[in-house]
Amino acid sequence: AQSVTQPDIHITVSEGASLELRCNYSYGATPYLFWYVQSPGQGLQLLLKYFSGDTLVQGIKGFEAEFKRSQSSFNLRKPSVHWSDAAEYFCAAAGDYKLSFGAGTTVTVRA
Amino acid sequence: DSGVTQTPKHLITATGQRVTLRCSPRSGDLSVYWYQQSLDQGLQFLIQYYNGEERAKGNILERFSAQQFPDLHSELNLSSLELGDSALYFCASSVGGQGALTINEQFFGPGTRLTVL
Repeated sequence: AQSVTQPDIHITVSEGASLELRCNYSYGATPYLFWYVQSPGQGLQLLLKYFSGDTLVQGIKGFEAEFKRSQSSFNLRKPSVHWSDAAEYFCAAAGDYKLSFGAGTTVTVRA
Repeated sequence: DSGVTQTPKHLITATGQRVTLRCSPRSGDLSVYWYQQSLDQGLQFLIQYYNGEERAKGNILERFSAQQFPDLHSELNLSSLELGDSALYFCASSVGGQGALTINEQFFGPGTRLTVL
């Protein structure tokens, strides 16, 4: 069955430190991959997406993600975290008419 | 602001009741998607409409139904409500979505929080 896994439920990071959120997918072929962010009380906002081509994808708010076919991963990174990055992050994969989301990773930023 | 609007923002009702959630997509978007977000199930795709026609179904219960009207707004009807239906219901829209691969960026509304007592 197609699935998206985010192994980390919660990550705490200091402001200014780097952040990496993990995402693994299980699909028959390489799916289209997305990262969304959900701030408290808000809907989801697309950070970046990967369809094909360059495996390092740049997104909004200083985020980037790297697609690694050999590891079935699409990890999200940010070199220096800001307090406003505290939110829940969802990895998603598209296929069969729908988006399948991971369980999400909650990021807490400490001063 | 994504351009997708959802009403109401909050809804509190009792078990056994029926409610209707409304979504207006971004101007020009033909597809509407409904999602349910709950603590135990996470974010789950319910159903998609494209230009008035049902395009894809996910984990949508038989007690739930949806439709997309000629002006492209959509309604999600939830009936015989149970405690477990308490969740945040999101609507999203995209320009396309008529193909099998949902590659079009989906823009999400702020959600309707449903509480069933």
